[in-house]
Amino acid sequence: KAGVTQTPRYLIKTRGQQVTLSCSPISGHRSVSWYQQTPGQGLQFLFEYFSETQRNKGNFPGRFSGRQFSNSRSEMNVSTLELGDSALYLCATTEGQNNEQYFGPGTRLTVT
Amino acid sequence: GIQVEQSPPDLILQEGANSTLRCNFSDSVNNLQWFHQNPWGQLINLFYIPSGTKQNGRLSATTVATERYSLLYISSSQTTDSGVYFCAVEPGSGGSYIPTFGRGTSLIVHP
Repeated sequence: KAGVTQTPRYLIKTRGQQVTLSCSPISGHRSVSWYQQTPGQGLQFLFEYFSETQRNKGNFPGRFSGRQFSNSRSEMNVSTLELGDSALYLCATTEGQNNEQYFGPGTRLTVT
Repeated sequence: GIQVEQSPPDLILQEGANSTLRCNFSDSVNNLQWFHQNPWGQLINLFYIPSGTKQNGRLSATTVATERYSLLYISSSQTTDSGVYFCAVEPGSGGSYIPTFGRGTSLIVHP
């Protein structure tokens, strides 16, 4: 089976812009979770989508949003980028809840 | 929310040495995973271990859910073991599925 894929792998944006990141899960995996990793805060949960519905949400402002398509692929969007949004964004997929998570390679976002 | 603490935060070893990494969590969990993050940022699954003991080559892990801790053992370490090791848990109560990661143990293995 192909692993979790994320695009793009690297991205440089300017403050105030918006960005969309994509995650394609392992075949058969219906749950997609997004995480933000920074040196200061570590790995933090953003949200989880299952069957095109947001099922769980972490403690992030409304500028961070996501969606999931019928083929389980997911996108996350960050609007009005701030310098502090510079981070590695990781997605993880599972077959369902309480299952083993598999991570993609991440998208490294730099906001200047 | 649930608290996850990993120790030690940093570890430096000579190739061939053994080590034990610890993960303590503050509440009951539905599951627990250990990951290795390589220098390029990829998180690699090591163990899915909500309870019990598992072994995979030179690595093994034990979770004692009733005492709220998990241990990751690395034997005969190699330079390729270098990286950051994370423990991640899913809370077992409260109805909220918010996976929580520890801050990690940064391991450097010298040749």
